[in-house]
Amino acid sequence: GEDVEQSLFLSVREGDSSVINCTYTDSSSTYLYWYKQEPGAGLQLLTYIFSNMDMKQDQRLTVLLNKKDKHLSLRIADTQTGDSAIYFCAENLTGRRALTFGSGTRLQVQP
Amino acid sequence: DAGVIQSPRHEVTEMGQEVTLRCKPISGHNSLFWYRQTMMRGLELLIYFNNNVPIDDSGMPEDRFSAKMPNASFSTLKIQPSEPRDSAVYFCASSPSVRTDTQYFGPGTRLTVL
Repeated sequence: GEDVEQSLFLSVREGDSSVINCTYTDSSSTYLYWYKQEPGAGLQLLTYIFSNMDMKQDQRLTVLLNKKDKHLSLRIADTQTGDSAIYFCAENLTGRRALTFGSGTRLQVQP
Repeated sequence: DAGVIQSPRHEVTEMGQEVTLRCKPISGHNSLFWYRQTMMRGLELLIYFNNNVPIDDSGMPEDRFSAKMPNASFSTLKIQPSEPRDSAVYFCASSPSVRTDTQYFGPGTRLTVL
């Protein structure tokens, strides 16, 4: 099927690292994406990774890609209360420009 | 750039009424996407346009839904007649013609059909 799967909820303490996981379906997806949605807002692109990369780092964000297992993760270092939001992973299926999104992981950061 | 602009931000209407949602993509972007977000079904693609031409409308729920893109700077999503199950947040996104296919989302329109 065309399911992108994520765990629904993650709770961490401020200052800890957060790791949000995602499994996707299409091994030929060219790019994989992470979006952030704050309450009442649209989706904000956080980062993306090209499928021939294993890792991408951007300030506090680290994306890891395991193509063999079709597993994508987003690590947020030194998590802050402002990071509390829903995080979506997404893939673009072969031949289709539109994105297929996971169900989203709600990250709760406790002070 | 102002980003993707959607209007209205909130819409409350009664069952059977016509609803029109509007979107202005980022200038220079040649692809436009309409998504719907609900608690039950998450984010679903409804339709997308490339260079103002509808490419994939397989996500449009039924004939009550229609979308147009008369020019590169404007698109509408119309529901006629509306039903309570159409209540959702509708997002518009646009994308430039680059290989990363990154999409930039508007703030959404929260639709409530009573």
